Amino acid sequence: GQNIDQPTEMTATEGAIVQINCTYQTSGFNGLFWYQQHAGEAPTFLSYNVLDGLEEKGRFSSFLSRSKGYSYLLLKELQMKDSASYLCASYGGATNKLIFGTGTLLAVQP
Amino acid sequence: SAVISQKPSRDICQRGTSLTIQCQVDSQVTMMFWYRQQPGQSLTLIATANQGSEATYESGFVIDKFPISRPNLTFSTLTVSNMSPEDSSIYLCSARQGAGTGELFFGEGSRLTVL
Repeated sequence: GQNIDQPTEMTATEGAIVQINCTYQTSGFNGLFWYQQHAGEAPTFLSYNVLDGLEEKGRFSSFLSRSKGYSYLLLKELQMKDSASYLCASYGGATNKLIFGTGTLLAVQP
Repeated sequence: SAVISQKPSRDICQRGTSLTIQCQVDSQVTMMFWYRQQPGQSLTLIATANQGSEATYESGFVIDKFPISRPNLTFSTLTVSNMSPEDSSIYLCSARQGAGTGELFFGEGSRLTVL
């Protein structure tokens, strides 16, 4: 089966750094995704980790530890437009279904 | 990448009726999926739409309630049958170009409100 946990809500200040954690239990794990979703819009792809370590892409970085079943998304130099839900999702199982966590609603304050 | 179009984008429906959502991808894709996102919630996988055969449903979802078609590699439909207010949700079509792992692309979603 697949089980994904992440905090429900977080608040951070414009210009700061925030880390959103995600733990997962996925049989046949094949990788972990982070998506961003603004209210009323479709999710958009942020990052994909399949190997342990840190993947950096501009202001966003994502980390994966397969042995610990743990990932985090790091957002630097926060901007107001970063206020959104951040969805952790894992690939697993025989058919590589992408299963989403509950999402973390990030509020960036001035 | 793949661009996914869904229609209708939103609709208001009466209890007991059925509505079919269409999903069109601008390129041939191997995998297509349907998700539901209830208000304030994350995405829940309904089923994998299989080309030329019956869809594979997740626990809690059945074909009689959510019949799915996928006649070719670029198109799929999801029907929400005998709707009740609990079916009020956003329904999202998604696609992946490979059979393995890789980015999942999403349509803009179809927001259904059932009165």
